[in-house]
Amino acid sequence: EIVLTQSPGTLSLSPGERATLSCRASQSVSSSYLAWYQQKPGQAPRLLIYGASSRATGIPDRFSGSGSGTDFTLTISRLEPEDFAVYYCQQYGSSPQYTFGQGTKLEIK
Amino acid sequence: QVQLVQSGAEVKKPGASVKVSCKASGYTFTSYGISWVRQAPGQGLEWMGWISAYNGNTNYAQKLQGRVTMTTDTSTSTAYMELRSLRSDDTAVYYCAKLMTTVTPGAFDIWGQGTMVTVSS
Repeated sequence: EIVLTQSPGTLSLSPGERATLSCRASQSVSSSYLAWYQQKPGQAPRLLIYGASSRATGIPDRFSGSGSGTDFTLTISRLEPEDFAVYYCQQYGSSPQYTFGQGTKLEIK
Repeated sequence: QVQLVQSGAEVKKPGASVKVSCKASGYTFTSYGISWVRQAPGQGLEWMGWISAYNGNTNYAQKLQGRVTMTTDTSTSTAYMELRSLRSDDTAVYYCAKLMTTVTPGAFDIWGQGTMVTVSS
């Protein structure tokens, strides 16, 4: 099973700043089958990025994903108040099998 | 619009079973798989398994093998997740989610609103 480790656990930033979230896999993620989700309290997760770098429908272009192999990054170029939430990475492989990272909480500084 | 609507909250005793439903609308149900994900209070997301709405093929997380069964009813565009031999650590919000691709693997582009299952004596 591929284990995903997200860092940092908590990120404290101010609106307008740039956020960089990391997701590291215990082994290579095939064909960049890596997604990012945003979850706000009391809500279901929302898909932000799939295929490591493709934005989902309706996602603002301040969100971008990059990386390959075992190291992936979610970048939010300029934080808006509504961006403060918990972010999860997810890998999806054949069978299919899925795993999630433990999450990064993005909080207002 | 595309949506998944789940059944309501459940309270069960240890050892019992629970069956959660997930009704799809706004898309061709049999063209996309459904996954189930759960989230214990204050914890992260845990993938439980996947079912093809096309042919009923399933793949479950190893941790839940033998206790979980996922099914679909194509006549009503509804997916079901049954979890047996419930324990207190099964207390969680259970989500269904639609795969965004017609062939696996794929990310989850539409999520249900979640169903709270509480296991308590």
